Amino acid sequence: AQTVTQSQPEMSVQEAETVTLSCTYDTSESDYYLFWYKQPPSRQMILVIRQEAYKQQNATENRFSVNFQKAAKSFSLKISDSQLGDAAMYFCAYRYAGGTSYGKLTFGQGTILTVHP
Amino acid sequence: DAGITQSPRYKITETGRQVTLMCHQTWSHSYMFWYRQDLGHGLRLIYYSAAADITDKGEVPDGYVVSRSKTENFPLTLESATRSQTSVYFCASSAPLSNQPQHFGDGTRLSIL
Repeated sequence: AQTVTQSQPEMSVQEAETVTLSCTYDTSESDYYLFWYKQPPSRQMILVIRQEAYKQQNATENRFSVNFQKAAKSFSLKISDSQLGDAAMYFCAYRYAGGTSYGKLTFGQGTILTVHP
Repeated sequence: DAGITQSPRYKITETGRQVTLMCHQTWSHSYMFWYRQDLGHGLRLIYYSAAADITDKGEVPDGYVVSRSKTENFPLTLESATRSQTSVYFCASSAPLSNQPQHFGDGTRLSIL
C-alpha cells in the first residue's frame, strides 16, 4: 500500500520570505501523480500544484514550485515571497496513474503553515 | 452553477442515530469519493465509486454505507453513529482520466455526542 508522510506538523515563515514544506512517499509503482493541496480556514481543498512522475522537470505555478526527487521518493513544496493568504494547512497527496486506482488519493498528515507579517 | 455541493455543512447528532451526508456534483464525473479528515491523519478514503451502481471500500469503511443510484449523487450514511465518527467529511469527484484532479466539496463537520 502507498503511504505519504509529512514530517512537519507546523511551519512558520515571515511575509515575503521563502518556506519549504516536506513530503515523502512510498510506492512500488513507477507511474503516478503527486499533488499539493491547500486548505485555508474555510475548509476548501484547493489544488496548488501537480507533478507527473514521468516528468523530470519540476512543476511550477507562480510562487509555488516543487522539488521532485523520484529516486528518493521526495516531493517538497517551495513557496516563494510568502503572503498572508498562504497561511493554511497543506496536504501532500499521491495517486497511482493506473486504471485500477480509480483516481483514489492517499494523503499525508498535513502541515499547518503560519505566515507572520 | 457547476460544482460539487455537500449538505449539511454542520451536523450535530447523538450516538446510535442514523445520519446521512449528501453529495451532489454537476460535472457528470464518473468517479466520486468520500474522505474523512482527522487531525494527525490527513484525509482518509472511506468509500469510492467508479460509476453509478459501482462502489467499493476505501481505507476506513467500517460503520459507513454508500449508494450511487445516479451519477450525480453519492450519499454517505452512518447507520449507527459513534463518537469516533466525529470528523470533517469531504466528498470529491473526478473525471476517469488519470491526469484529472479531484474536485472537493466544502466539507461537512459532523459532531456525535
